Amino acid sequence: NAGVTQTPKFQVLKTGQSMTLQCAQDMNHEYMSWYRQDPGMGLRLIHYSVGAGITDQGEVPNGYNVSRSTTEDFPLRLLSAAPSQTSVYFCASSYGEPGELFFGEGSRLTVL
Amino acid sequence: GENVEQHPSTLSVQEGDSAVIKCTYSDSASNYFPWYKQELGKRPQLIIDIRSNVGEKKDQRIAVTLNKTAKHFSLHITETQPEDSAVYFCAASINSGGGADGLTFGKGTHLIIQP
Repeated sequence: NAGVTQTPKFQVLKTGQSMTLQCAQDMNHEYMSWYRQDPGMGLRLIHYSVGAGITDQGEVPNGYNVSRSTTEDFPLRLLSAAPSQTSVYFCASSYGEPGELFFGEGSRLTVL
Repeated sequence: GENVEQHPSTLSVQEGDSAVIKCTYSDSASNYFPWYKQELGKRPQLIIDIRSNVGEKKDQRIAVTLNKTAKHFSLHITETQPEDSAVYFCAASINSGGGADGLTFGKGTHLIIQP
């Protein structure tokens, strides 16, 4: 099992550009989520999904879109990148009800 | 929504001593409380968790206690070792019964083990 795979690991964008962070898991987990991590701010939930076709907003959803067309994939789209979106992004999954979250390795995004 | 406060932000202890990290939560409906460890440049990993029907849980040198009345929970690490140096995050979640809501994390504690 590869676990949770995120790509890319590093990305530099210019303000206004769009991009998609990819996340895939091979553990047949129903629950998937995206967090951003900023110094001194902990991990803040952006969006989450409790199953294919179902998504919901977390604490900081503005500027991000998600979709869940399959159980395995949960991409995060930045519509028009802003410097405030410079952060490390983590995708995570778990089997279902709150339980162990398995995190990807993280994607470091810099917006100039 | 849920709010999780974590203290201290930095904790320095001598190797072999104990370390205690404390968290409070705001929503009395929260019923799941995990702790994650994140080493520098790595992903967070679960080290221990507790559910609201349990007051204490131990796993070797690590223990977590939960006080539902006061809405706080704590991580205890005994006989600290250099490999315990990391950032520790507490979190809280409300399980609404039909599916999983997102975890709300504290801001983290940087634990430094002094040799």
